[in-house]
Amino acid sequence: GNSVTQMEGPVTLSEEAFLTINCTYTATGYPSLFWYVQYPGEGLQLLLKATKADDKGSNKGFEATYRKETTSFHLEKGSVQVSDSAVYFCALSLNTGGFKTIFGAGTRLFVKA
Amino acid sequence: DGGITQSPKYLFRKEGQNVTLSCEQNLNHDAMYWYRQDPGQGLRLIYYSQIVNDFQKGDIAEGYSVSREKKESFPLTVTSAQKNPTAFYLCASTPRGQGSNQPQHFGDGTRLSIL
Repeated sequence: GNSVTQMEGPVTLSEEAFLTINCTYTATGYPSLFWYVQYPGEGLQLLLKATKADDKGSNKGFEATYRKETTSFHLEKGSVQVSDSAVYFCALSLNTGGFKTIFGAGTRLFVKA
Repeated sequence: DGGITQSPKYLFRKEGQNVTLSCEQNLNHDAMYWYRQDPGQGLRLIYYSQIVNDFQKGDIAEGYSVSREKKESFPLTVTSAQKNPTAFYLCASTPRGQGSNQPQHFGDGTRLSIL
């Protein structure tokens, strides 16, 4: 079936460190891929997306590249800030007779000053 | 600004009681969704609706019910049949017919607890 697997957290980094959160997926067909971010007590917000192979999504210094050959969509940021502390969700969307989104379990990121 | 409003932010349920969570959107989106989020877990789909007066069960619909009488509104009722309702509930929407590349827009959630 269709699924998303992302690395378990929590991930704890010092400010200005490099961030990678791994995400791999299994899907029939050609999904669109997303990263969402959730701050405490809030809903999810779209961080970035990619809709086809080799596309790179980017926003606020975060990047992820749609790799069809490795079925991956890893999230990266060159220099994290304390304000980046949140839970990050990888997700895919495809048409299964209605457009549905499947989310990974989320990865909590703590950034220390 | 357009968005999704969920209310209340916190809700408490007594044993044997049904409670209704509100979700209203002014984004003119056709499709709306309800998710349940448990600590340390991803989002699980409860129900979704792609058009007014039509809705489909998601992966964990048992113990829940919905209605979609207006485009803007998609209320979720947690019935007494749901034995473990304590969770964070999120409502989302997307424009219908725009393809799978459309992201979901989320409300700020309702946290439901048992008294």
